[in-house]
Amino acid sequence: AQKITQTQPGMFVQEKEAVTLDCTYDTSDPSYGLFWYKQPSSGEMIFLIYQGSYDQQNATEGRYSLNFQKARKSANLVISASQLGDSAMYFCAMREKGGGFKTIFGAGTRLFVKA
Amino acid sequence: GAGVSQSPSNKVTEKGKDVELRCDPISGHTALYWYRQSLGQGLEFLIYFQGNSAPDKSGLPSDRFSAERTGGSVSTLTIQRTQQEDSAVYLCASSPGTSAYTDTQYFGPGTRLTVL
Repeated sequence: AQKITQTQPGMFVQEKEAVTLDCTYDTSDPSYGLFWYKQPSSGEMIFLIYQGSYDQQNATEGRYSLNFQKARKSANLVISASQLGDSAMYFCAMREKGGGFKTIFGAGTRLFVKA
Repeated sequence: GAGVSQSPSNKVTEKGKDVELRCDPISGHTALYWYRQSLGQGLEFLIYFQGNSAPDKSGLPSDRFSAERTGGSVSTLTIQRTQQEDSAVYLCASSPGTSAYTDTQYFGPGTRLTVL
């Protein structure tokens, strides 16, 4: 069964510094996709970045990058040059090709950016 | 274009009453998902619909929960005989339905359900 683990309930980072949010996953399906979402206090879920299991390079989207270590089954989100607006909940999610469109989310990490 | 919309945005009901939550996906998206998010928690998968395929209902917590999708577009999540533990934000999402493991989901604003 697929499983997503986010071990950091809360993280603090100084404005303009980089921060890494951890995500590990468990699956026996060789084909899968990993997603990161941001949920500000307003409650909306905002898609950030995607990494496919066969992608050779780490995904990047602006200040977001994904440190994908397939052998270790980890997909950590790196936010560079943190901004106050980055304060939010961050969720890692996974979908297996063999699981259809069923998506499993981690418990989330709350990030606090300090001025 | 218009995003995913959900109605109502807030619903307060009494224990034992039935409620219906509505979701309008992005036009052209064939995959539609329902999630439940309890206060301060992650997202719990409930059900998804994809095209004309049978829905995956494996996340529905009890037989009090049901969902349907009419005409491949609008979806309704129904909770019968509501209980206080049903209080949560119910999120709907849609995706193009192109690929099971690469589709990006786009979320609606959610319906906050409070059961008194």
